Amino acid sequence: DAGVIQSPRHEVTEMGQEVTLRCKPISGHDYLFWYRQTMMRGLELLIYFNNNVPIDDSGMPEDRFSAKMPNASFSTLKIQPSEPRDSAVYFCASSKQPRMDRGNSYEQYFGPGTRLTVT
Amino acid sequence: AQSVTQLDSHVSVSEGTPVLLRCNYSSSYSPSLFWYVQHPNKGLQLLLKYTSAATLVKGINGFEAEFKKSETSFHLTKPSAHMSDAAEYFCVVSPRWGGATNKLIFGTGTLLAVQP
Repeated sequence: DAGVIQSPRHEVTEMGQEVTLRCKPISGHDYLFWYRQTMMRGLELLIYFNNNVPIDDSGMPEDRFSAKMPNASFSTLKIQPSEPRDSAVYFCASSKQPRMDRGNSYEQYFGPGTRLTVT
Repeated sequence: AQSVTQLDSHVSVSEGTPVLLRCNYSSSYSPSLFWYVQHPNKGLQLLLKYTSAATLVKGINGFEAEFKKSETSFHLTKPSAHMSDAAEYFCVVSPRWGGATNKLIFGTGTLLAVQP
């Protein structure tokens, strides 16, 4: 299995520009999560999807942030317009639907991240 | 509500000596507990997980953790540290059967340094 794939790995952009981050989850996983990691705030959950439907976007910081999941194998996180304070590493993660009869847990598998720098 | 507290932000050990990274949790539900590791400039990797089977859980790279309900702890240990263990470690809690959410609640992380 290729694992969770994110692109680009690094993005440098100027303030005010639109930024789109991409994620391909592990095939067969039902959940997809977007996180942001900074030194100041640690790891923050931004939004997550179940079967392509957004379930909880309470962590999305502002209306400048939006996320979509048009199908089971692709998701995007868009920032428009970008600001220097958006500089962070953005992670995508995916997980299977847990099954009570098998005691499966909710472990998430993380992608390598996209390091975003907004100047 | 669930929460997790990592008691040490930094731990430094010498190569070949034991590692102990401490974690306490709070959960209204019967929890699942995880440890993740993040090497510099890398994503997070699952080390091990507890989901109500054996209370002593073995993970990758020689790490293990013991679930102690009476102490609400899930400390991570390794008998002998290796230089490659230098990384940041996150303790994570989640309600096992989801309820209204299957979010993971991350601790603030413990940075492990291994001295030669």
